[in-house]
Amino acid sequence: GQQVMQIPQYQHVQEGEDFTTYCNSSTTLSNIQWYKQRPGGHPVFLIQLVKSGEVKKQKRLTFQFGEAKKNSSLHITATQTTDVGTYFCAGPELEGSNYKLTFGKGTLLTVNP
Amino acid sequence: DTEVTQTPKHLVMGMTNKKSLKCEQHMGHRAMYWYKQKAKKPPELMFVYSYEKLSINESVPSRFSPECPNSSLLNLHLHALQPEDSALYLCASSPGTSGYNEQFFGPGTRLTVL
Repeated sequence: GQQVMQIPQYQHVQEGEDFTTYCNSSTTLSNIQWYKQRPGGHPVFLIQLVKSGEVKKQKRLTFQFGEAKKNSSLHITATQTTDVGTYFCAGPELEGSNYKLTFGKGTLLTVNP
Repeated sequence: DTEVTQTPKHLVMGMTNKKSLKCEQHMGHRAMYWYKQKAKKPPELMFVYSYEKLSINESVPSRFSPECPNSSLLNLHLHALQPEDSALYLCASSPGTSGYNEQFFGPGTRLTVL
């Protein structure tokens, strides 16, 4: 089956530093989704990327989808303590006639104020 | 209403108990999911319901029994669980299962099996 790999597993930064997490799929993806899970919380959808080479921004967050549609990244500029959490990428995988999401293992971001 | 609700928030049960987890959404979504999440791990898919029919079962042990009484409700019946089944159980919904649909997660039920 499809595998989605994500690095790094953990990242600790000082507040104000930048942060990047990378996601690689074993197969070409129709789209990739990013979710954030705060400590003690549940995953919350952040964004979906669909087009090859697509770049989307949400305030200090920049998401990229690779040209081959097999890799993606999330970059946070000038981290804040509110950015703490685990960031998951997820790609759709067909099973039977339905799609399911295959999640990467996630990157846990901690921010030192 | 863009919320998925789950009850109970916390559940402690013995290995001989029978209990149920409940999930509800009123977004008109036609796909609903159960995930299991262990600490420091990603959500692990258990079941997918599409249009109230079970469409994906990820080889989950029969001590977990899902039920979708209607398009807004999803239950997970638990029986004879093992301590290793202790985890956060997340319900999610999406408009469909096209692969392009974002999933909306509920807050989860934290289950402890003694």
